[in-house]
Amino acid sequence: KAGVTQTPRYLIKTRGQQVTLSCSPISGHRSVSWYQQTPGQGLQFLFEYFSETQRNKGNFPGRFSGRQFSNSRSEMNVSTLELGDSALYLCASSFRQIGTDTQYFGPGTRLTVL
Amino acid sequence: GEDVEQSLFLSVREGDSSVINCTYTDSSSTYLYWYKQEPGAGLQLLTYIFSNMDMKQDQRLTVLLNKKDKHLSLRIADTQTGDSAIYFCATSTGSSNTGKLIFGQGTTLQVKP
Repeated sequence: KAGVTQTPRYLIKTRGQQVTLSCSPISGHRSVSWYQQTPGQGLQFLFEYFSETQRNKGNFPGRFSGRQFSNSRSEMNVSTLELGDSALYLCASSFRQIGTDTQYFGPGTRLTVL
Repeated sequence: GEDVEQSLFLSVREGDSSVINCTYTDSSSTYLYWYKQEPGAGLQLLTYIFSNMDMKQDQRLTVLLNKKDKHLSLRIADTQTGDSAIYFCATSTGSSNTGKLIFGQGTTLQVKP
């Protein structure tokens, strides 16, 4: 079974631009969670989508948004990029059902903001 | 609030056992996970333990959970140079499955030949 895929793997943008990252979950998984990883703050939860609805949100500004499609693929968007948005963005998928919520991660998208 | 703490660095000799420790604050944590991250890669799920278990063994990996002290450990037997990586402890909370994991800062494991 194919794992979680993320595109693109690397991205370079300039301040003020916006960016869209994509995540395709493991087949059959309906939940996609997004995380930001930086050397200073570590791994921080951004949001989770399940059945095309945002179910949970972390403590990030409104410039960070996302959506999920009917095939469970998810995108996250960051508008008006800042230097501090440079990070590895990881998505994870799971079945999201009572009793198990094990998340499987993709390889990440490395975003550099200049 | 929710917090997960890990020591930052561990160095061992090849063939020795490695023990990576983690403490957490949220007593409602239901599942506790160990992930491995190699340079330039995402997170690889190593193992997990449910909060009503004390121990779980999976080949070279042994997870111990002390729920009273909110302490989790990962023991890697016969550590190899390929085990060199960053290891993250993570918790998920409650029965509602919020899709949110709380991660520790990660422990860098250095394995010397």
